[in-house]
Amino acid sequence: ETGVTQTPRHLVMGMTNKKSLKCEQHLGHNAMYWYKQSAKKPLELMFVYSLEERVENNSVPSRFSPECPNSSHLFLHLHTLQPEDSALYLCASSPNPGGNTIYFGEGSWLTVV
Amino acid sequence: AQRVTQPEKLLSVFKGAPVELKCNYSYSGSPELFWYVQYSRQRLQLLLRHISRESIKGFTADLNKGETSFHLKKPFAQEEDSAMYYCALFGSSNTGKLIFGQGTTLQVKP
Repeated sequence: ETGVTQTPRHLVMGMTNKKSLKCEQHLGHNAMYWYKQSAKKPLELMFVYSLEERVENNSVPSRFSPECPNSSHLFLHLHTLQPEDSALYLCASSPNPGGNTIYFGEGSWLTVV
Repeated sequence: AQRVTQPEKLLSVFKGAPVELKCNYSYSGSPELFWYVQYSRQRLQLLLRHISRESIKGFTADLNKGETSFHLKKPFAQEEDSAMYYCALFGSSNTGKLIFGQGTTLQVKP
């Protein structure tokens, strides 16, 4: 599939588990993002990466740990999450971090039990 | 502070009726505004941007700086327009920060 691909699409984890969300983009973009979409809040920007360097961390708790090994891949490592962290996590990419056209993945539905 | 407000969580209209999805913003500079749409079981995707002044799927949106609004309009709604619509403001150009409103679900009834 072309575009932005996220795996897994659905994840259920316990509060003591460690899991990871993966994102891959096939668009040749230099910037990648993690957004959180929960039922009661607007889409929240979590992290921004530009050419594998983190350029923004929006006061996200340390139980969320991003990793960008190269410009095509982005991970979100999860550990000791809380039930309120249950949400849809969206990965996105854009040609450059200053670019205003962002392409989203389909999201990973996370449920913390 | 930069903020996007969509006052309606749900908008329900009949097919053929006009639609207006409201969006107001707060931004100290020259804003770039967008509408994103998420159809059922599909990814969030760009619908239109104010800078292009385009009409996509019959939708238009005009930036009104005096009222700080960017309402999305369509004269005759179709059932396939049913989706979640997000208004977004492009903030800092250094880090590509796109700020979203809370979204409005549009339900077009037959």
